[in-house]
Amino acid sequence: QQQVKQSPQSLIVQKGGISIINCAYENTAFDYFPWYQQFPGKGPALLIAIRPDVSEKKEGRFTISFNKSAKQFSLHIMDSQPGDSATYFCAASKGTNAGKSTFGDGTTLTVKP
Amino acid sequence: DVKVTQSSRYLVKRTGEKVFLECVQDMDHENMFWYRQDPGLGLRLIYFSYDVKMKEKGDIPEGYSVSREKKERFSLILESASTNQTSMYLCASSLGPSHGYTFGSGTRLTVV
Repeated sequence: QQQVKQSPQSLIVQKGGISIINCAYENTAFDYFPWYQQFPGKGPALLIAIRPDVSEKKEGRFTISFNKSAKQFSLHIMDSQPGDSATYFCAASKGTNAGKSTFGDGTTLTVKP
Repeated sequence: DVKVTQSSRYLVKRTGEKVFLECVQDMDHENMFWYRQDPGLGLRLIYFSYDVKMKEKGDIPEGYSVSREKKERFSLILESASTNQTSMYLCASSLGPSHGYTFGSGTRLTVV
């Protein structure tokens, strides 16, 4: 049973466009929702994260939208740039078990110049 | 700059060998994790540790064991490597719940 479902698997966006990646979760005990960015040959790096007491968090061009009732959250990348081309993972964790995270399957984003 | 360091970027091992993957963090984090990453399958948790000598199984522990003798070091052991363990292995550490992970650069293991 996959606890965090991520879509789409791949995404192609023109430079300057908006990239949107969606995730849905099942376990209502999750209380921390991070997004990670991974470039080829590197480990994932924490990009932005949200807790369920807020509906939106923005950091620069990156925004997380959170819908607690629908058990969904999404990453929006505004003014997408070729340098944003990477694989993005959503994740979810709860305040037990050392905060171990369950990850989505990842989205490969390509931003065309 | 805080770091998680994995000792090898690439490893090639033979079937049946005992394989050690080492991970060291310099952030004094309590929690450390081992994931494997396979195309289309995302990151799957193998084992994690929340304190020295303390460990718990993740989602796919079969064929693996771990060791944490010191706070900064978390080792993944493949007792008898098999070809289906060919993968990218990622180590991470975390301050605790509601904190993100810091990942190492990964070890790409090929078992032949």
